[in-house]
Amino acid sequence: QVQLVQSGAEVKMPGASVKVSCKASGHSFSGYDIHWVRQAPGQGLEWMGRINPDSGVTDYAQKFQGRVIMTKDASISTVHLELSRLRYDDTAVYYCARVTSGDWFDPWGQGTLVTVFS
Amino acid sequence: SYVLTQPPSVSVAPGETARITCGGNNIASKSVHWYQQKPGQAPVLVLYYDKDRPSGIPKRFSGSNSGNTATLTISRVEAGDEADYFCQVWDSTSDHPVFGGGTKLTVL
Repeated sequence: QVQLVQSGAEVKMPGASVKVSCKASGHSFSGYDIHWVRQAPGQGLEWMGRINPDSGVTDYAQKFQGRVIMTKDASISTVHLELSRLRYDDTAVYYCARVTSGDWFDPWGQGTLVTVFS
Repeated sequence: SYVLTQPPSVSVAPGETARITCGGNNIASKSVHWYQQKPGQAPVLVLYYDKDRPSGIPKRFSGSNSGNTATLTISRVEAGDEADYFCQVWDSTSDHPVFGGGTKLTVL
């Protein structure tokens, strides 16, 4: 069973960038896309984009185009999410999750709280 | 883009049956997946392909999908079922996933 373990909480000032990591363990890192989903306090789930851990090909939600970069480091079975030009409304828990050919999200990482605060 | 609509809240007494709906245009033509999220925790898949249960999910959780509405049914509701529930489909037009807004299940 693959497990996804994310990096720890971050506090950033408006305008800064944040980089969140997601490490896969327990199973092959390759084969299925890793997606990023965020959840603002008290809100629903918002899809941000995905990365293929084999090819590195990315696909971003239009809302985040130009501000988000997803990368992979296959040598350590890790993908990264970088979000730039942070705003207060970027305060959220950021989740990584694997999506199989069946198009559902499983498993999920434990989440990383990013707080934008001045 | 494709939109999924869920009621903000559903309340049910212990032992009763909870039904959480997920509305979308001709949603029956899509596969619907459901997630349970308890406070402070990541979402957990509870149903996939409308009605299939992952390993470890109780048989009390079942699903259906017809017309413009998919339904997650939780039988013999327990206090531990209190959580937010989200539906999700894959939008073939955008080739992106879509989530419903979520339903808070309260066990009275």
